[in-house]
Amino acid sequence: DVKVTQSSRYLVKRTGEKVFLECVQDMDHENMFWYRQDPGLGLRLIYFSYDVKMKEKGDIPEGYSVSREKKERFSLILESASTNQTSMYLCASSLHGSNEQFFGPGTRLTVL
Amino acid sequence: AQSVTQLDSQVPVFEEAPVELRCNYSSSVSVYLFWYVQYPNQGLQLLLKYLSGSTLVKGINGFEAEFNKSQTSFHLRKPSVHISDTAEYFCAVSRGTDKLIFGTGTRLQVFP
Repeated sequence: DVKVTQSSRYLVKRTGEKVFLECVQDMDHENMFWYRQDPGLGLRLIYFSYDVKMKEKGDIPEGYSVSREKKERFSLILESASTNQTSMYLCASSLHGSNEQFFGPGTRLTVL
Repeated sequence: AQSVTQLDSQVPVFEEAPVELRCNYSSSVSVYLFWYVQYPNQGLQLLLKYLSGSTLVKGINGFEAEFNKSQTSFHLRKPSVHISDTAEYFCAVSRGTDKLIFGTGTRLQVFP
């Protein structure tokens, strides 16, 4: 069974903390994505990676960075968390050349 | 630029009634179209996809969608819903190579 896993289902952090969200896929997919999901706004793309060490900004990259050192792992980093980054974060992966994405269960981050 | 509009943010229905969730897209190029479902506290799961060929696409759990190029629509339908279909549904359209743009979601609530 193919899988995308995320390191935490729920996370609570304080304003100004550095936050790492981890995503791992076991499908040997080239592409990996980070989205945030907010009520009434749907899913918005934060960053996209199409290969190891490669990254591309999405629609809302401000306040975030990413790291992809290995093909199966894609990390989202909040350098200094702020309350407006309280959200559900979803990771996804796909094969290069395919638009069909496979999603992890999500991490609900609360920044106090 | 591509965009996706889901016309209804919430759709309440009684069990065993038919349902249609509406999706319209705008694009100047050929598109691939997707419907994803998100059950409470879970990630997104693919319901069905249109890549080419027959405009009527059948998916999992008895759902189907029809691609209408002249009306730029991809509405999702089910002839008889169950309580277990209560979830949020997202329409998505391909955005260049490998990426998707998502609608804002429709929350389907099925009442007994």
